[in-house]
Amino acid sequence: KNEVEQSPQNLTAQEGEFITINCSYSVGISALHWLQQHPGGGIVSLFMLSSGKKKHGRLIATINIQEKHSSLHITASHPRDSAVYICAVSMGGSEKLVFGKGTKLTVNP
Amino acid sequence: GAGVSQSPSNKVTEKGKDVELRCDPISGHTALYWYRQRLGQGLEFLIYFQGNSAPDKSGLPSDRFSAERTGESVSTLTIQRTQQEDSAVYLCASSLARGAERYTFGSGTRLTVV
Repeated sequence: KNEVEQSPQNLTAQEGEFITINCSYSVGISALHWLQQHPGGGIVSLFMLSSGKKKHGRLIATINIQEKHSSLHITASHPRDSAVYICAVSMGGSEKLVFGKGTKLTVNP
Repeated sequence: GAGVSQSPSNKVTEKGKDVELRCDPISGHTALYWYRQRLGQGLEFLIYFQGNSAPDKSGLPSDRFSAERTGESVSTLTIQRTQQEDSAVYLCASSLARGAERYTFGSGTRLTVV
């Protein structure tokens, strides 16, 4: 079993919809990251969380340490949000990241 | 530089040959990471450099893989006696320091072993 599980694996939405992508992990972590991988392959770092909630523009990330769960929300989704969203965790002060397999999001106009 | 630069962008090599991949991090970024992404798979950690500290090599899959970094600048990832299972996109990332909130990723080197 992968230490980091994401759901759904694939998600298709209409422009304007509210999107939620989930990430669950099975071990204690020091931090959780959300990354965005564009269709061309480029990867962008979105958030790093160790507790609570962060917001950047239309993106919101939350984490519940007790439940070992994080969510990434996208409000008013747009076709340019189409990408693979990747959850990754670091453990015990190590810089080694363990990655989920990603959620492929397609937003249709 | 303005971003993380990786070269070559594509490399096709014959099984058994050695390859060397290069990463130029953002100037001033003390932390540098190598990852691998095989087709249809998630990212895998390979190695991490932080300044002049000993690197974390715990993700290197075999002793055919090695990496070096000169100070806080260029890093090279070397794969000896390449195998077909080494085919993947090799990604480099850098960040300001250990535990930084954001990483900057390069565009990757697509390695194909034939």
